[in-house]
Amino acid sequence: GENVEQHPSTLSVQEGDSAVIKCTYSDSASNYFPWYKQELGKGPQLIIDIRSNVGEKKDQRIAVTLNKTAKHFSLHITETQPEDSAVYFCAASYDAGNMLTFGGGTRLMVKP
Amino acid sequence: GAVVSQHPSWVICKSGTSVKIECRSLDFQATTMFWYRQFPKQSLMLMATSNEGSKATYEQGVEKDKFLINHASLTLSTLTVTSAHPEDSSFYICSARDDGTAYNEQFFGPGTRLTVL
Repeated sequence: GENVEQHPSTLSVQEGDSAVIKCTYSDSASNYFPWYKQELGKGPQLIIDIRSNVGEKKDQRIAVTLNKTAKHFSLHITETQPEDSAVYFCAASYDAGNMLTFGGGTRLMVKP
Repeated sequence: GAVVSQHPSWVICKSGTSVKIECRSLDFQATTMFWYRQFPKQSLMLMATSNEGSKATYEQGVEKDKFLINHASLTLSTLTVTSAHPEDSSFYICSARDDGTAYNEQFFGPGTRLTVL
């Protein structure tokens, strides 16, 4: 089955700096790679996703890159703000409607 | 937008009792729903895939007789934790796949925190 590794497990940045979180996956059949933000005591919220037919996708301060050959994808958050502080999870799946395999999570702390 | 609700949001029960958690898709139909479990400071782990009108598919290591899943309608799946024990204390999260979207996107519920005393 699919295995998703996520690094780093914790990340502390100064407000305004950029944050990068990286994930690798094992199953070459995976085509869908979402990123979720989870705040304490809440369910995960989709913040951006990318499919295997594109290499990069951007939405305001958030971008995701995918290297299918190397089987890794990354989340980039620019101009970080304190409200970006949360746990971020990457995931991989065959498609958006299939079961997701999650990475271990990254606790992002943005210091004002 | 697509909304998934869970009820209750939290529950405390005594060891040996059973607890039912509901997952509802509020504004879309979902033939398929997924149940995940998340222990403190850990990732989400898939427990089972719930299919309307048929038996759920459980992941390896998840006891189907302990975690009963019923998906009786296109908007409701229930997870019943039978004879709960303290080690079942966890955050249970469901997601529902929207049958009406081109990409069959799934949407997550807010989670249910179960504490077994």
